[in-house]
Amino acid sequence: SQKIEQNSEALNIQEGKTATLTCNYTNYSPAYLQWYRQDPGRGPVFLLLIRENEKEKRKERLKVTFDTTLKQSLFHITASQPADSATYLCALDLGGSNYKLTFGKGTLLTVNP
Amino acid sequence: EAGVVQSPRYKIIEKKQPVAFWCNPISGHNTLYWYLQNLGQGPELLIRYENEEAVDDSQLPKDRFSAERLKGVDSTLKIQPAELGDSAVYLCASSPRTSEGDTQYFGPGTRLTVL
Repeated sequence: SQKIEQNSEALNIQEGKTATLTCNYTNYSPAYLQWYRQDPGRGPVFLLLIRENEKEKRKERLKVTFDTTLKQSLFHITASQPADSATYLCALDLGGSNYKLTFGKGTLLTVNP
Repeated sequence: EAGVVQSPRYKIIEKKQPVAFWCNPISGHNTLYWYLQNLGQGPELLIRYENEEAVDDSQLPKDRFSAERLKGVDSTLKIQPAELGDSAVYLCASSPRTSEGDTQYFGPGTRLTVL
């Protein structure tokens, strides 16, 4: 069966450190993988998209890697700040005419000052 | 640019009552989605519209849920009658539908509590 797993429900790190979140999937062949941020009481907000033929993508302090052999994406936040505390969701996008995102459960990141 | 607007933000009803949620997508976005999000879970797709056509409603419980998107802009999601298990956040999202993946823009959601 198809499955998306994010490494842990919660991750606590110290301010200034790099946060690394993991997204693993089985029985999917996504064309894209997306990461979203969700704050309490709000809808998810798009952060980054990476294509199946891309290994890495960066945006400011964010970096995403995508390994289609391992069926895994890593999401890094460098020099983390307390304001980065939120739930981070990965979502698989099969692409083509099948405009549909399938979301993982998310990882709650807490950055302690 | 205004984001996706949803109302109400919160709704408390008793079981067996009807309830409706409204969504106004970002201007120019032809694709509209309704999602359900339970606590500690990711959003789960209920229905997707392309303009006024529901192109994917396979996950919509049609015995009690219905949706419409008249004129291909605003959309309404209805539950009748509501059950205790329907308590969740209902999210609306829209997408410009480009060739660069399906980036979606979410509204704040409606938190439904069924007593």
